[in-house]
Amino acid sequence: SAVISQKPSRDICQRGTSLTIQCQVDSQVTMMFWYRQQPGQSLTLIATANQGSEATYESGFVIDKFPISRPNLTFSTLTVSNMSPEDSSIYLCSVDFAGGYNEQFFGPGTRLTVL
Amino acid sequence: LAKTTQPISMDSYEGQEVNITCSHNNIATNDYITWYQQFPSQGPRFIIQGYKTKVTNEVASLFIPADRKSSTLSLPRVSLSDTAVYYCLVASTGGFKTIFGAGTRLFVKA
Repeated sequence: SAVISQKPSRDICQRGTSLTIQCQVDSQVTMMFWYRQQPGQSLTLIATANQGSEATYESGFVIDKFPISRPNLTFSTLTVSNMSPEDSSIYLCSVDFAGGYNEQFFGPGTRLTVL
Repeated sequence: LAKTTQPISMDSYEGQEVNITCSHNNIATNDYITWYQQFPSQGPRFIIQGYKTKVTNEVASLFIPADRKSSTLSLPRVSLSDTAVYYCLVASTGGFKTIFGAGTRLFVKA
């Protein structure tokens, strides 16, 4: 298992600004993922972040809007750029230790409200 | 990735066994079936995973018929704290990508 922390836990931001969300894992991991979950909805995968390579984005998500960094095996950041109220959501990071067997461990999430 | 279909919501009472069935008609040979649980204001938590027949751990059992086109998560003797959303996922090993369906919202009453 893993202990995953996210910062900030919540934030209220103004339209047009950007927010960077941090994800820290207590052990080294190859695969990290970023999800978005709108209130009352399921999770939507934004991108897969591997250390040492560019993030792979899912359909509907682009690097200019959601740039991701993965500087080492225990840390990643997701930036939500030029925010609008439609970006209000919970953003979660997760890691996969099991070599692709889909046993992922999730962080507590970052609740973002854009005014 | 195989699409999954589950009931939107279920109600139960404390002490009862709850069975949540997930349909995945297009499951591929290499696909595993995984279930997650999510409480409000928390990230999802892995519950159980299986390929065929039956898998049991300290939390739940997973029943998978021979054709693997469906699976049933069984929660024995639920309590109020089992109120959560339960997600069924199907993906191949090594594929890494996890696509969450709509999930089943379980509400346990006293």
